[in-house]
Amino acid sequence: AQRVTQPEKLLSVFKGAPVELKCNYSYSGSPELFWYVQYSRQRLQLLLRHISRESIKGFTADLNKGETSFHLKKPFAQEEDSAMYYCALRGGSQGNLIFGKGTKLSVKP
Amino acid sequence: NAGVTQTPKFRILKIGQSMTLQCTQDMNHNYMYWYRQDPGMGLKLIYYSVGAGITDKGEVPNGYNVSRSTTEDFPLRLELAAPSQTSVYFCASTLTSGGGNEQFFGPGTRLTVL
Repeated sequence: AQRVTQPEKLLSVFKGAPVELKCNYSYSGSPELFWYVQYSRQRLQLLLRHISRESIKGFTADLNKGETSFHLKKPFAQEEDSAMYYCALRGGSQGNLIFGKGTKLSVKP
Repeated sequence: NAGVTQTPKFRILKIGQSMTLQCTQDMNHNYMYWYRQDPGMGLKLIYYSVGAGITDKGEVPNGYNVSRSTTEDFPLRLELAAPSQTSVYFCASTLTSGGGNEQFFGPGTRLTVL
């Protein structure tokens, strides 16, 4: 079965501390993995995708097929990073996303 | 370019009432989706469409209907509202189903059924 697991509901760190938001997936084929972010009172938006191997706003995520993980990392958290973060998997021809339950990141000053 | 728009933003329904959630995109995307998000949960797919005139069920379609008469519009219909349909509803669209293409989301409709 296709599934995305985000084990942490809430992650609280201080400004300047490293951040790692965990994501594990279950998928039999070659998945496409994404991180979406939702800032307060804003709509869900794409943060990054594994296929691009990009760094956005200082965040990176590496797809580890052996561990079936796609953890999101940032070396130095900023207060403006506080938001809900969703890991998502796209598999199948219909192109829909399968979401984890989300992790709320709170960065304290 | 407004992206994906949804109306209404909020709605309170009584049990048994009907309503249509509107979704429009101006990006000429073929694929459109309706998701619902219950508190503390991830988004779940209700229905999707791969083009005008083509729709199909997702993971949680019961109690809902959709239509796709144009590329731009993808309305979601609730016929007999039930408290279990209290949720936040998101519409999304994307150009193609793969290739790392981004899904663009609407702002959501918060529905309460009492």
